[in-house]
Amino acid sequence: NAGVTQTPKFQVLKTGQSMTLQCAQDMNHNSMYWYRQDPGMGLRLIYYSASEGTTDKGEVPNGYNVSRLNKREFSLRLESAAPSQTSVYFCASRYTSGWGVDTQYFGPGTRLTVL
Amino acid sequence: GQQLNQSPQSMFIQEGEDVSMNCTSSSIFNTWLWYKQDPGEGPVLLIALYKAGELTSNGRLTAQFGITRKDSFLNISASIPSDVGIYFCAGQGGANSKLTFGKGITLSVRP
Repeated sequence: NAGVTQTPKFQVLKTGQSMTLQCAQDMNHNSMYWYRQDPGMGLRLIYYSASEGTTDKGEVPNGYNVSRLNKREFSLRLESAAPSQTSVYFCASRYTSGWGVDTQYFGPGTRLTVL
Repeated sequence: GQQLNQSPQSMFIQEGEDVSMNCTSSSIFNTWLWYKQDPGEGPVLLIALYKAGELTSNGRLTAQFGITRKDSFLNISASIPSDVGIYFCAGQGGANSKLTFGKGITLSVRP
């Protein structure tokens, strides 16, 4: 049981290049999230997927696209990377039960630098 | 939108001391979560609180869900060097709502 995994762990891009950040969870959770973390800004939600087949914008979606490939996998794509997208990206999955338990688990992060 | 306030941004304590952090909001939450983030890692869930007034412990950590449902605190007792990291609070308004995060408190522990 690996929890939430992310690849790659580090990436350097040039402005204008594209790439896809991969995320997978093996906990059978319905909801998955992508955040970015910048100094002094905390965690900001980029996109989320409440269930397989659905995606919605979060607080800072511009410049990103997502795909919920199946229940396990939720990818984040940068079509044309910009220096402002230099950040640490975290994927998370959420577990809710019928009796009030509601928790969210994070992956280890992808550290992206755009030159 | 909803906001969670955590302050100060940084705290410096001596090894062995207790430390308390709180998290406040102008909105009501149904769930409070406390996370710790080690340098270079993702946030790890420490404690989850689901009921107003609930007090929950996890080793040297104790957290409480405020009676008004607008605040929560985390206490670390007898701090050790590995307690260093960023501590985030997060609140959820309900089953279909997203997590709202505080900006985190960076804790430093002097040996």
